Amino acid sequence: GAVVSQHPSRVICKSGTSVKIECRSLDFQATTMFWYRQFPKQSLMLMATSNEGSKATYEQGVEKDKFLINHASLTLSTLTVTSAHPEDSSFYICSARDSGPRRYEQYFGPGTRLTVT
Amino acid sequence: QKEVEQDPGPLSVPEGAIVSLNCTYSNSAFQYFMWYRQYSRKGPELLMYTYSSGNKEDGRFTAQVDKSSKYISLFIRDSQPSDSATYLCATFDTGRRALTFGSGTRLQVQP
Repeated sequence: GAVVSQHPSRVICKSGTSVKIECRSLDFQATTMFWYRQFPKQSLMLMATSNEGSKATYEQGVEKDKFLINHASLTLSTLTVTSAHPEDSSFYICSARDSGPRRYEQYFGPGTRLTVT
Repeated sequence: QKEVEQDPGPLSVPEGAIVSLNCTYSNSAFQYFMWYRQYSRKGPELLMYTYSSGNKEDGRFTAQVDKSSKYISLFIRDSQPSDSATYLCATFDTGRRALTFGSGTRLQVQP
């Protein structure tokens, strides 16, 4: 149990275009989902926290107009990187927290590697 | 000072060795402590979590928390090449309701 999927696993896009990444909790309901960014050989950097049905909370320094997050249901959150630039190239990982008794456990998706050319 | 400090390694050990991975944290309010394993180009996988001080064992893995010294440890017995990965410690901040990660320690188990 506790599976989180992400799609796509890898995407290459041209500078100036927008990219949408989907995150789904497959076998549990997640009232809270998280989006992280990870550069090579570095730890995960939390970008934003999204709660189902409400606006996402962004970490300091993360542009909310550039990284649009939508958490429309208890099993789906999306991250849209708008007007992508080469410096947005990174590994994006979503995570979901179980809304049930295991609410301190957080499960991660397999990640999406974004390359902006 | 980072809230969670972790030696990035790399740590290289021979197969069968006992591995000790460690983190320190600064916020005494942290109550939940996790260890994640991340293989290259994959998302982190939750290995274990503990609440407050004490030990927790799961197969070859033992997690240990010493709240008095703000020290978190993960021990791996009889290490295998398949254990080669980056290990991330994390604490759960009940105020922010979010995980704070260490930088991760890269472990290589040599066959």
